[in-house]
Amino acid sequence: SQQGEEDPQALSIQEGENATMNCSYKTSINNLQWYRQNSGRGLVHLILIRSNEREKHSGRLRVTLDTSKKSSSLLITASRAADTASYFCATDGGSNYKLTFGKGTLLTVNP
Amino acid sequence: DTAVSQTPKYLVTQMGNDKSIKCEQNLGHDTMYWYKQDSKKFLKIMFSYNNKELIINETVPNRFSPKSPDKAHLNLHINSLELGDSAVYFCASSQGALAGGEQYFGPGTRLTVT
Repeated sequence: SQQGEEDPQALSIQEGENATMNCSYKTSINNLQWYRQNSGRGLVHLILIRSNEREKHSGRLRVTLDTSKKSSSLLITASRAADTASYFCATDGGSNYKLTFGKGTLLTVNP
Repeated sequence: DTAVSQTPKYLVTQMGNDKSIKCEQNLGHDTMYWYKQDSKKFLKIMFSYNNKELIINETVPNRFSPKSPDKAHLNLHINSLELGDSAVYFCASSQGALAGGEQYFGPGTRLTVT
């Protein structure tokens, strides 16, 4: 069964604006990860947040995790056209050797 | 140097044929994976291998047979291809179990079955 679900499915913003994507999941986790996929490319890891962490930053990225609500958010600040991509959350469902991905949010940043 | 590479990038074939996709990683990782991404971009795990041993087989039809000759390689052979096998297949690798960290993905192989 699908573990993560991103919201919204698609998001279109102007360059310089902030973009927020949300992810909900169903079971307990060890960690939650966010990945980016440019059109026609493989996924690229952005950030990992562990179940005992509430917030994590990496450059223009800010990730929050609320295990009580089984949800996470990814904030991209001061977006750029190059941020245009699909963004996926992935969870391990509390088990090793397996990541379950959501359906992704397609972010379009207009110049 | 490419960290995780896959060949071929594109594969067009007819129903009933047998085909293989190859994957190699030069990161020194001990765990490798195959994922299938459908036309709606839904990405689903197919297999996980750790130190050449099969760890996860996510109820994939037995027409799909992965083979790991060594820790750096994980190939995927598909027998009797069907229309529903059309998708993008991604190979990935990581060091150790997932609780430890991120996965590195290859560029994908777009398989089209006609």
